[in-house]
Amino acid sequence: TQLLEQSPQFLSIQEGENLTVYCNSSSVFSSLQWYRQEPGEGPVLLVTVVTGGEVKKLKRLTFQFGDARKDSSLHITAAQPGDTGLYLCAGADSWGKLQFGAGTQVVVTP
Amino acid sequence: KAGVTQTPRYLIKTRGQQVTLSCSPISGHRSVSWYQQTPGQGLQFLFEYFSETQRNKGNFPGRFSGRQFSNSRSEMNVSTLELGDSALYLCASSLSAGGAGPDTQYFGPGTRLTVL
Repeated sequence: TQLLEQSPQFLSIQEGENLTVYCNSSSVFSSLQWYRQEPGEGPVLLVTVVTGGEVKKLKRLTFQFGDARKDSSLHITAAQPGDTGLYLCAGADSWGKLQFGAGTQVVVTP
Repeated sequence: KAGVTQTPRYLIKTRGQQVTLSCSPISGHRSVSWYQQTPGQGLQFLFEYFSETQRNKGNFPGRFSGRQFSNSRSEMNVSTLELGDSALYLCASSLSAGGAGPDTQYFGPGTRLTVL
């Protein structure tokens, strides 16, 4: 049973389109992290959000942490083929232990 | 600085056998965590080691065990392998220097274990 539910499970879009991935939980987390994993590699940390309502922008990626610190979203503007990968969210409890969602597979075609 | 390395990268075993996976953390990192990744369950936390002691443990049976050496390198052992143990096993290291805020984990490329 996943404590963190990610949606959608799979997303296929054309280059230049926008996309949003969601991460929801009934639990409160002290922080939430987003990772991207490419085939044959381990996950790579994209961002950590700590404060409820926090919004962080990294170039074309926008991350938002819900006010209640139970949910988060990742929005990609003008997606590029290089954005293809498995996007994982992970919530940290007060001891720093991470709980991962099952991931959203994003495919961006030229 | 070299990243997290895991050996071997691929492994094929049969049911009932045992297996040992190895992880070398980033130099200076004291914490090593292990995860199991499967298509259906995603990443599941196995355990974390810090200064040669198990600091956190996930909900896996006792067949899964690990240890950490004085140089922070870690090994994970799975005994009496089952078909369902087929997965990508990921190791992550972190500085774990203490203080406020989450610790950044750096993942290795993983070991792909197939149990036949």
